Amino acid sequence: SQELEQSPQSLIVQEGKNLTINCTSSKTLYGLYWYKQKYGEGLIFLMMLQKGGEEKSHEKITAKLDEKKQQSSLHITASQPSHAGIYLCGAENYGGSQGNLIFGKGTKLSVKP
Amino acid sequence: DGGITQSPKYLFRKEGQNVTLSCEQNLNHDAMYWYRQDPGQGLRLIYYSQIVNDFQKGDIAEGYSVSREKKESFPLTVTSAQKNPTAFYLCASSTLYRGRGQPQHFGDGTRLSIL
Repeated sequence: SQELEQSPQSLIVQEGKNLTINCTSSKTLYGLYWYKQKYGEGLIFLMMLQKGGEEKSHEKITAKLDEKKQQSSLHITASQPSHAGIYLCGAENYGGSQGNLIFGKGTKLSVKP
Repeated sequence: DGGITQSPKYLFRKEGQNVTLSCEQNLNHDAMYWYRQDPGQGLRLIYYSQIVNDFQKGDIAEGYSVSREKKESFPLTVTSAQKNPTAFYLCASSTLYRGRGQPQHFGDGTRLSIL
């Protein structure tokens, strides 16, 4: 079965610093989704990547999917306290039903003012 | 505004009691999903439904039941057979008609605790 591994599990950065979160799949990724979650709340969709080498940006967050489509990274530039939360990657389940996603365990980001 | 509404936000269950978590969406999405989130475990799929009157078991369906009588609604019942129900429950929905590559949209969750 397909698994997604996220690293690091948690991250504490000083405000203004850059950071990167990684998501590695045991199988080729057909669709990779990044979500953000504040504690006790639902997931907010950030970005979706489908093609090898694809890169998308929104405000100060950039997501990339490698050429082999087995690893994705989420990069935050000049972090702010509003970036704090749990970041989860999700992927279409290889061989699974259309629309079904599996998720990594999440990366908890804290930003110190 | 379109979205997914979960209720209640907090729920308490007594021993031997069944409880039902509500999930309603007005996004006209075909598919709906229920996930359980435990600390350090990520999200695990309980049940999903791609069409009215049909649903499929996910990875951890034991002790749970669902129904999909209307496209907008996908309630989850946590039965007394679920021995460890304390968790954060998330409902999601997505469109399917455009094929793969459609993101799931999530509700705000229901936190279930044991009394």
